[in-house]
Amino acid sequence: RKEVEQDPGPFNVPEGATVAFNCTYSNSASQSFFWYRQDCRKEPKLLMSVYSSGNEDGRFTAQLNRASQYISLLIRDSKLSDSATYLCVVNIGEVTDKLIFGTGTRLQVFP
Amino acid sequence: ETGVTQSPTHLIKTRGQQVTLRCSSQSGHNTVSWYQQALGQGPQFIFQYYREEENGRGNFPPRFSGLQFPNYSSELNVNALELDDSALYLCASSFHETQYFGPGTRLLVL
Repeated sequence: RKEVEQDPGPFNVPEGATVAFNCTYSNSASQSFFWYRQDCRKEPKLLMSVYSSGNEDGRFTAQLNRASQYISLLIRDSKLSDSATYLCVVNIGEVTDKLIFGTGTRLQVFP
Repeated sequence: ETGVTQSPTHLIKTRGQQVTLRCSSQSGHNTVSWYQQALGQGPQFIFQYYREEENGRGNFPPRFSGLQFPNYSSELNVNALELDDSALYLCASSFHETQYFGPGTRLLVL
């Protein structure tokens, strides 16, 4: 079983749509959680951290359920510029940071 | 931009050769992590350096080695290259928890 599992997609949605991505992780001792965004042939960039209480940044909302070992990302009012791969990331390090990445979920927003 | 730079941007090598990739971390960041990203996959953790010492390692063989210098820049060395080493190699620098990635080096092994 992979340490971090995501649906690879692609998710093809029209502009203005709401889309949700899910992710599960296997290491119950995981310390912290993130969503990164990666554009084609570019490096990953931090989109947002994920907290147990849930957090929102504009059109993006992230949720963490530690009991179910489940992370989600909701994008409202999708824009063409949201088209990218979204990587679910879990930090399993105790003393040092050790980031484990999912394979990513591809999103394509069309006009 | 993150302020993390990597060189070279692209590289072509043949099987059995050795390669050195370089990373300059963002100013003030004392930790550098290296990742390998194969096509269609997420980045895989290779190792991390903190204040010039290896500080954690992923599931990569010893022919993957690294260095960190006093200015916190870093090198990744890969010996005895194999075809499967073809990938995007990313470095990320951090001070606390958040890691900032460089643009990567694309390595092709023929």
